[in-house]
Amino acid sequence: DTEVTQTPKHLVMGMTNKKSLKCEQHMGHRAMYWYKQKAKKPPELMFVYSYEKLSINESVPSRFSPECPNSSLLNLHLHALQPEDSALYLCASSLGSYNEQFFGPGTRLTVL
Amino acid sequence: GEDVEQSLFLSVREGDSSVINCTYTDSSSTYLYWYKQEPGAGLQLLTYIFSNMDMKQDQRLTVLLNKKDKHLSLRIADTQTGDSAIYFCGIWRNKLVFGAGTILRVKS
Repeated sequence: DTEVTQTPKHLVMGMTNKKSLKCEQHMGHRAMYWYKQKAKKPPELMFVYSYEKLSINESVPSRFSPECPNSSLLNLHLHALQPEDSALYLCASSLGSYNEQFFGPGTRLTVL
Repeated sequence: GEDVEQSLFLSVREGDSSVINCTYTDSSSTYLYWYKQEPGAGLQLLTYIFSNMDMKQDQRLTVLLNKKDKHLSLRIADTQTGDSAIYFCGIWRNKLVFGAGTILRVKS
């Protein structure tokens, strides 16, 4: 298995909802990442997990809560989001923190 | 902070070569990457180069690195309509920092 998978592909939620994005890889990678990408912009790093521990939080608002239950799974819990949080959320993984990153297809999130 | 700049748009005819350019400011960058993003999709890693190399070739792709000028380029030979996408250069500096992306349009 040489890919990063993400579910769901699309998500529409209200500002009072709680939802979760999921990411999975079975390449034995020990670093996993969440990025946010707005339309016509490059991806922006949100969080990095290395060996299941949060190593980087790029000053992301607390309404985004990451979780790494094991080395293959990465979740992003969403609560009380704002319409400006609507974006493509990309997950990536790499063998180690300094290796090339492989990206999943993304979850297109719309906040109403 | 890290500045990574790319030209925003490139249009070429099918069969021609495409050259996408990227400049950066931090000379201590170790790895430099090229990613491709098709509409509605994630980023696909195309190739990467280590900072002690000048050139890397992989089938139709050639990466050139000029460390003195802090300039990275991606050449796509025999460009096809399937190469139409946004191309991001990425510079590693404790995290991956992307340029704004170059939209490549291939005319048949």
